[in-house]
Amino acid sequence: QQQVKQSPQSLIVQKGGISIINCAYENTAFDYFPWYQQFPGKGPALLIAIRPDVSEKKEGRFTISFNKSAKQFSLHIMDSQPGDSATYFCAASRGGNKLVFGAGTILRVKS
Amino acid sequence: DTGVSQDPRHKITKRGQNVTFRCDPISEHNRLYWYRQTLGQGPEFLTYFQNEAQLEKSRLLSDRFSAERPKGSFSTLEIQRTEQGDSAMYLCASSSGAANQPQHFGDGTRLSIL
Repeated sequence: QQQVKQSPQSLIVQKGGISIINCAYENTAFDYFPWYQQFPGKGPALLIAIRPDVSEKKEGRFTISFNKSAKQFSLHIMDSQPGDSATYFCAASRGGNKLVFGAGTILRVKS
Repeated sequence: DTGVSQDPRHKITKRGQNVTFRCDPISEHNRLYWYRQTLGQGPEFLTYFQNEAQLEKSRLLSDRFSAERPKGSFSTLEIQRTEQGDSAMYLCASSSGAANQPQHFGDGTRLSIL
């Protein structure tokens, strides 16, 4: 079963633009929502994470927006750069246990 | 700061053979996780250890799969009688085990079944 749904599957953004990736979850017991970045041939690397008692978290050019009532959260990448071209995964977990991942978004930033 | 290390990085084997992968977690981390990632998909949970105890196994982990973490340090994942469908990237992650502490991933072992 797919407990975390991610969209879009792929995204093309101009350099300097804003990249937005959305995720929706079903299990209201989830209490930790990380975003991972993955380059080809590499493992996922943690970008930023949020807990449901916070509606927004910003780290550098990366911002997570969280809507608990809608069971949705999103990643915004400001001033997108060609080096941001990668696959992005949202995930969710309960109590710091196993992560449930979305299917991923392939981001391409055009220079 | 040494990250999560996985060995080998690539494994090519014939169908029906047994394979074993190794994961060395970040040294102070007591939780170790195994995930499987197929092309175009997100990682899927297989199993995890708290120190040497295996606390949860996914239904994805058939009887042909076994994982161990002797002495709570490195872990091994063995697949017996490999099948075509086992071809995937096998990822290991570790965390400190405290609530909502991040999981740090290795670069995985890519398994190809001929």
